[in-house]
Amino acid sequence: DIQMTQSPSSLSASIGDRVTITCRASQSISSYLHWYQQKPRKAPKLLIYVASSLQSGVPSRFSGSGSGTDFTLTISSLQPEDFATYYCQQSYSTPTFGQGTKLEIK
Amino acid sequence: EVQLVESGGGLVQPGRSLRLSCAASGFSFDDYAMHWVRQAPGKGLEWVSGISWTSDTIDYADSVKGRFTISRDNAKNSLYLQMNSLRAEDTALYYCVKDLCSTSCFYFQHWGQGTLVTVSS
Repeated sequence: DIQMTQSPSSLSASIGDRVTITCRASQSISSYLHWYQQKPRKAPKLLIYVASSLQSGVPSRFSGSGSGTDFTLTISSLQPEDFATYYCQQSYSTPTFGQGTKLEIK
Repeated sequence: EVQLVESGGGLVQPGRSLRLSCAASGFSFDDYAMHWVRQAPGKGLEWVSGISWTSDTIDYADSVKGRFTISRDNAKNSLYLQMNSLRAEDTALYYCVKDLCSTSCFYFQHWGQGTLVTVSS
């Protein structure tokens, strides 16, 4: 299976900050990389698919980039509702997720 | 509005069986692949199984292969997961998930709220 590694595992930031989360695949996955947001006691929500396509209804402050093995999720200006755990997931082969990045309020 | 409502979870002893169901509404169920994804308490996400719109293509994670069976009834807009020979490590919240595609492209577009399965003696 392809291993997905996110960094950092946790992150403290303030409202208005620009935040970047990275995801690295153990082998090339082209652009088959997706990002999810999960709030406590809620189901995950698809934010970005195929590395950079914004899911309908997701605010434009979220963006994704990358290809091959290295990917990033960027939140341009943090809002209170963005504090959550973020997961990357590859669909190049049997799907696997990163371990998650918990974004907390500083 | 897409709605996915899981049911069938509960407390079960190791080695026993359980069947999960997912009732779908708000979209053309028979046009999309569907999946089960689970999350152990306090842990990350793990894809469990997926099924194409026609049930022609079915996939399983190695961790459940030979023990779990996914199926769907397009006439009833329902997805199922038959779980046999349950183990403690199967304890998790099980999510029903709608794919973005008709065959499994594994873009998990919509998620239910989950049903909790606890395997313990």
